[in-house]
Amino acid sequence: GQSLEQPSEVTAVEGAIVQINCTYQTSGFYGLSWYQQHDGGAPTFLSYNALDGLEETGRFSSFLSRSDSYGYLLLQELQMKDSASYFCAVRDYGGATNKLIFGTGTLLAVQP
Amino acid sequence: GAVVSQHPSWVICKSGTSVKIECRSLDFQATTMFWYRQFPKQSLMLMATSNEGSKATYEQGVEKDKFLINHASLTLSTLTVTSAHPEDSSFYICSAHGGGANQPQHFGDGTRLSIL
Repeated sequence: GQSLEQPSEVTAVEGAIVQINCTYQTSGFYGLSWYQQHDGGAPTFLSYNALDGLEETGRFSSFLSRSDSYGYLLLQELQMKDSASYFCAVRDYGGATNKLIFGTGTLLAVQP
Repeated sequence: GAVVSQHPSWVICKSGTSVKIECRSLDFQATTMFWYRQFPKQSLMLMATSNEGSKATYEQGVEKDKFLINHASLTLSTLTVTSAHPEDSSFYICSAHGGGANQPQHFGDGTRLSIL
C-alpha cells in the first residue's frame, strides 16, 4: 500500500525554527512536495524535491533522502501566519495515471 | 491570481439532492484533473483522477456511480454527487495538473458540501 506519515501536531513560538518530518512508502515515486493549508482553505504549494538534498525558498526549506524514503520541511523565523496544516505529498506515476498522494498532515501552532 | 477556479464554494441542500461541482483551469490546459475529499482535521483523500476525453479512474472504495466525474474539455471537469446523504457532507477540492513531473499541481478553493 501507500503511506506518508507525519507528526500530527507541532507547537513552536514566534521566531523559532521547526522541522516537520515525512516518511513515505509508495509504489512509485516522482518527487516529494510540500503544501500548506489554512483552515477552510485550499492547499498552496510550498516546495518540491525531485533529487536528494536541500531546496531553499525564503524562510522555507525542504530536504529529501530517497534512500531513506524520508523528507522534511524546515520553517525558519516562524510567524503567527505560519499556523496552518502542512502536508507532504508524493507524485505516483504507477499504473495508468499519475496522482498526488498526500501525507497524514501536521498541524503547526505558532505561539507568541 | 487563482489558476484553478472551483464553483460553488459552499452548498447546503436536502438529502437526496444531486449536487454538481465545477472545476476550471484558467490559464493553462489541464491534461489531468483530480478530485479530493477532506473531512475535518484529516488529510486530502484522492477520490478520482480524470483525463480529458476519457473515463475517470476511481480510487479503491470510491463509488463511481455515486460520484460522477466528467472531463469534457482541457479546462473543465465536473463532479456530481448523486442522491447526496448527510455522510457525503465534506470539503471537496479539485486540482489540475498541466503535465510533467516537475510541474506543481494547482488547487481550487474547495467546495464545502453540507447535506441536511
